[in-house]
Amino acid sequence: AQSVTQLGSHVSVSEGALVLLRCNYSSSVPPYLFWYVQYPNQGLQLLLKYTSAATLVKGINGFEAEFKKSETSFHLTKPSAHMSDAAEYFCAVSLALDGNKLVFGAGTILRVKS
Amino acid sequence: KAGVTQTPRYLIKTRGQQVTLSCSPISGHRSVSWYQQTPGQGLQFLFEYFSETQRNKGNFPGRFSGRQFSNSRSEMNVSTLELGDSALYLCASSPMTGTTGELFFGEGSRLTVL
Repeated sequence: AQSVTQLGSHVSVSEGALVLLRCNYSSSVPPYLFWYVQYPNQGLQLLLKYTSAATLVKGINGFEAEFKKSETSFHLTKPSAHMSDAAEYFCAVSLALDGNKLVFGAGTILRVKS
Repeated sequence: KAGVTQTPRYLIKTRGQQVTLSCSPISGHRSVSWYQQTPGQGLQFLFEYFSETQRNKGNFPGRFSGRQFSNSRSEMNVSTLELGDSALYLCASSPMTGTTGELFFGEGSRLTVL
């Protein structure tokens, strides 16, 4: 069964600093990987997804993630944090055979300091 | 284009009661998935419906059930409510299933069980 581990339940960065949110996955077959963002009292919004095409994936709002099979990682980065990036971020994995079932990590709350 | 609509947004029930939550997917979307979000367990997959058929089911007791109608609207029901059922229930829709496409989430129904 697949699983996702997000390192760090809380990450704090200064405005303008690099954002790095870590995600490691476990899967017996090549997975599909996703990053979602959740703002307070809202649902989840897809930031980006990896589906076995390019290993460097660019998403919305300046975020990108790199799929590293050897490290079983899919870390999310953004060169320069903005106050509006403060939210909770979830890494998720799915298998095509499982339909639209996503297995989510525990989430990382990003705080951006001015 | 209207997004995913979930009703009600907030509700309070007492132990032993039952509850029905409704989800209207984006027009043209045939897949509807349900997730439970709690502080302790995070985001957990409940089930997915595609073309009125349950496509996949998570590891929840039989008290949790769902269905999908011919217009793709979906309902989930929880019978004999327990305190631990207090959660944000998120619905997500997608045009198809198993294509690793983006899931579009609603804002959720927040259930409090007293």
